[in-house]
Amino acid sequence: DAGVIQSPRHEVTEMGQEVTLRCKPISGHDYLFWYRQTMMRGLELLIYFNNNVPIDDSGMPEDRFSAKMPNASFSTLKIQPSEPRDSAVYFCASSPALGQVNEKLFFGSGTQLSVL
Amino acid sequence: AQSVTQLDSQVPVFEEAPVELRCNYSSSVSVYLFWYVQYPNQGLQLLLKYLSGSTLVKGINGFEAEFNKSQTSFHLRKPSVHISDTAEYFCAAAGGGSYIPTFGRGTSLIVHP
Repeated sequence: DAGVIQSPRHEVTEMGQEVTLRCKPISGHDYLFWYRQTMMRGLELLIYFNNNVPIDDSGMPEDRFSAKMPNASFSTLKIQPSEPRDSAVYFCASSPALGQVNEKLFFGSGTQLSVL
Repeated sequence: AQSVTQLDSQVPVFEEAPVELRCNYSSSVSVYLFWYVQYPNQGLQLLLKYLSGSTLVKGINGFEAEFNKSQTSFHLRKPSVHISDTAEYFCAAAGGGSYIPTFGRGTSLIVHP
């Protein structure tokens, strides 16, 4: 398996523009997570899905952020409109289980977002 | 939900020296604990995890961690580090009603020749 695949690797955009980050989880994994990493706040959970259904989006900073998982092999994180404070590395991760012996998050390589 | 404290933001050490990276979590029943490593420009990878059983957990690349319930700690150790161990290390914990791991701020391990 190729692992969790994220695109793009780098995104540079101007304030006010719409940004869409993409993620392909590992096949067969029931859980998908979106994390944001910044120097100030560390690694924060934004939202997670179970079997394509959003379970907890309490970490989404505000209404400008939205996430979807239309099928088991694809998820998007959208920021509209983007702001400079959204600049961060965004990670997608998937796991076959939670709270069980085979729990293990597999992370993608991340998307480095810069909003000018 | 759990909270995780990594007491050291940066740990410099010389090659072949031992190292300990500290992690404390908030008290909870049924706690699950993890250490992940992040190499430059990469995503996080699981080093080891504790779900139950033996309190000493061995992971990949010669790392081990010990679950200490009385001190609510899960420190990561390696008896002899290599240059290639230079990376960011994250402690994570789940429990207290949530299986979603909460991550600490990370510790940057810098191994000098």
